[in-house]
Amino acid sequence: DAGVTQSPTHLIKTRGQQVTLRCSPKSGHDTVSWYQQALGQGPQFIFQYYEEEERQRGNFPDRFSGHQFPNYSSELNVNALLLGDSALYLCASSFGGEEKLFFGSGTQLSVL
Amino acid sequence: AQKVTQAQTEISVVEKEDVTLDCVYETRDTTYYLFWYKQPPSGELVFLIRRNSFDEQNEISGRYSWNFQKSTSSFNFTITASQVVDSAVYFCALSAFREGNQFYFGTGTSLTVIP
Repeated sequence: DAGVTQSPTHLIKTRGQQVTLRCSPKSGHDTVSWYQQALGQGPQFIFQYYEEEERQRGNFPDRFSGHQFPNYSSELNVNALLLGDSALYLCASSFGGEEKLFFGSGTQLSVL
Repeated sequence: AQKVTQAQTEISVVEKEDVTLDCVYETRDTTYYLFWYKQPPSGELVFLIRRNSFDEQNEISGRYSWNFQKSTSSFNFTITASQVVDSAVYFCALSAFREGNQFYFGTGTSLTVIP
């Protein structure tokens, strides 16, 4: 039973560029949440997708957008990258918005 | 607003010592969940325990135990007879029902167990 998988594992971009991160939820899960974890900090909630719609959003600018596909996989897009966007981006899945989350290993994004 | 505070940034213990990681939370919700996650160097957050706001029973799982006290808004985590494999960053998190169960994480406690 595959857990939450994320790709790529590492990514290097320059300021102003755009990036897309991908996530496949754990088998049987239908809800995907994205978190940003800056170095030395706890993860911060970006948004959550359920039934292909953004159900909830944290305190992140519109440069952060997402999508959920019919197979429940999800993408996180970040436009006009800033140096401060450098972080570990974690995807988490759950079933029906249940409170227990399963996390992937994350995508380490470096913005130069 | 929800908030989780982990005042201990880094802890070092010698193998076989017991260690307690502190977690204090703030919420106005009456229905909420508390969690502990372990983050090894690989980056993946590994679920350890979930406790809902109506269940103040302490829990023990092997060498791990958790003490939930609503009166002091604390949810502390104790590792008994620590092992080198316990070295990781540990996060306490809060999820409030009225906010759609989004997680609020503390800043984490980095535990190093010295052989």
